[in-house]
Amino acid sequence: AQSVTQPDIHITVSEGASLELRCNYSYGATPYLFWYVQSPGQGLQLLLKYFSGDTLVQGIKGFEAEFKRSQSSFNLRKPSVHWSDAAEYFCAVGGGSYIPTFGRGTSLIVHP
Amino acid sequence: EAQVTQNPRYLITVTGKKLTVTCSQNMNHEYMSWYRQDPGLGLRQIYYSMNVEVTDKGDVPEGYKVSRKEKRNFPLILESPSPNQTSLYFCASRRVGESGEAFFGQGTRLTVV
Repeated sequence: AQSVTQPDIHITVSEGASLELRCNYSYGATPYLFWYVQSPGQGLQLLLKYFSGDTLVQGIKGFEAEFKRSQSSFNLRKPSVHWSDAAEYFCAVGGGSYIPTFGRGTSLIVHP
Repeated sequence: EAQVTQNPRYLITVTGKKLTVTCSQNMNHEYMSWYRQDPGLGLRQIYYSMNVEVTDKGDVPEGYKVSRKEKRNFPLILESPSPNQTSLYFCASRRVGESGEAFFGQGTRLTVV
């Protein structure tokens, strides 16, 4: 069965600092991987996705993620965090005929 | 504009009073799903549908019903709501058989008193 683990419930960073949110997955085939962001009171918006090709994928809002098959990881990164990045972030695995499975989310807090 | 529309956005109801939350998508997606989001538990899937008249249970189906009579609509029905169903609900859709992402509605905040 597929699953996603986001080991950090909360992450606190200072504005301008770099960010890395962790995601580990379990999947029986080549995974389709996604990162979503949920701002307060909003639905989920896709940041980026990976399904083949270059293992470093670029997304919106300056985010990127790197797929590492050997580590079953798909960590999200941003070199310099802005206060507006404060939100809940969800990693997900699924695609093709598979039902998407979401992690429990990581809440990002940004200090000025 | 491609979108998933949920209604209502906010709902307060009493225990036992049947309610329906509607979900509609305009992208001709085969796959639709309902999730509930609770603090510390992330998104948990309630029911999903791979196409018209094809539905299946997700991880937390108890107390919920769904139907898929048309491709674009996937309503969530609470026959007898209870306070433990107070939650934030999301509907999502995507195309089956591709690597595409799921598109989400704006959410429905349900409170059962």
